[in-house]
Amino acid sequence: KAGVTQTPRYLIKTRGQQVTLSCSPISGHRSVSWYQQTPGQGLQFLFEYFSETQRNKGNFPGRFSGRQFSNSRSEMNVSTLELGDSALYLCASSAGPAASYNEQFFGPGTRLTVL
Amino acid sequence: AQKVTQAQTEISVVEKEDVTLDCVYETRDTTYYLFWYKQPPSGELVFLIRRNSFDEQNEISGRYSWNFQKSTSSFNFTITASQVVDSAVYFCALKSGGGADGLTFGKGTHLIIQP
Repeated sequence: KAGVTQTPRYLIKTRGQQVTLSCSPISGHRSVSWYQQTPGQGLQFLFEYFSETQRNKGNFPGRFSGRQFSNSRSEMNVSTLELGDSALYLCASSAGPAASYNEQFFGPGTRLTVL
Repeated sequence: AQKVTQAQTEISVVEKEDVTLDCVYETRDTTYYLFWYKQPPSGELVFLIRRNSFDEQNEISGRYSWNFQKSTSSFNFTITASQVVDSAVYFCALKSGGGADGLTFGKGTHLIIQP
């Protein structure tokens, strides 16, 4: 089985721009969660999608949004980028929704640098 | 509120030594799950183990073992006869409260195995 894939792997943007990151979960998995990893804050939960619906959201501003398509692929969008948005964005795939406590399998991440 | 504390920021040992990574968690829920993930330099989080709050049996998988003690709210991870390939950042994580809020991660322990 192919693992979780994320594109692009690296991205450089400037302040004020917007960015879209993509995640394809493991085949058959319907839940996709997004996490932000920074040296200062560590790993923080952004949001989770299951069956095309956002189920939960972490404590992030509205500039962070996402969606999930019928094939379970998910995109994450960050608008009006700030320097502090520079981070590794990790996507995790799970067979069931977050509330099912299934283990989450992570992709390689997208490293976003905001200049 | 839930919290995971990994007090050891960095540990350095010589190959073949045994090493224990500590994890202390806080949650008010009676149902919760604990996880350990490994993050090698490539950045991808690799799932190692999941343990639920009703199962305090210790687990051994090859050179890896986990000691779950509810009385001290700890879920420690031991690597026996460490190898250079074990060098990575290890994260302990918690999911509780119905699992709706994604994983709560500790800050991670950077393990360095010297040859």
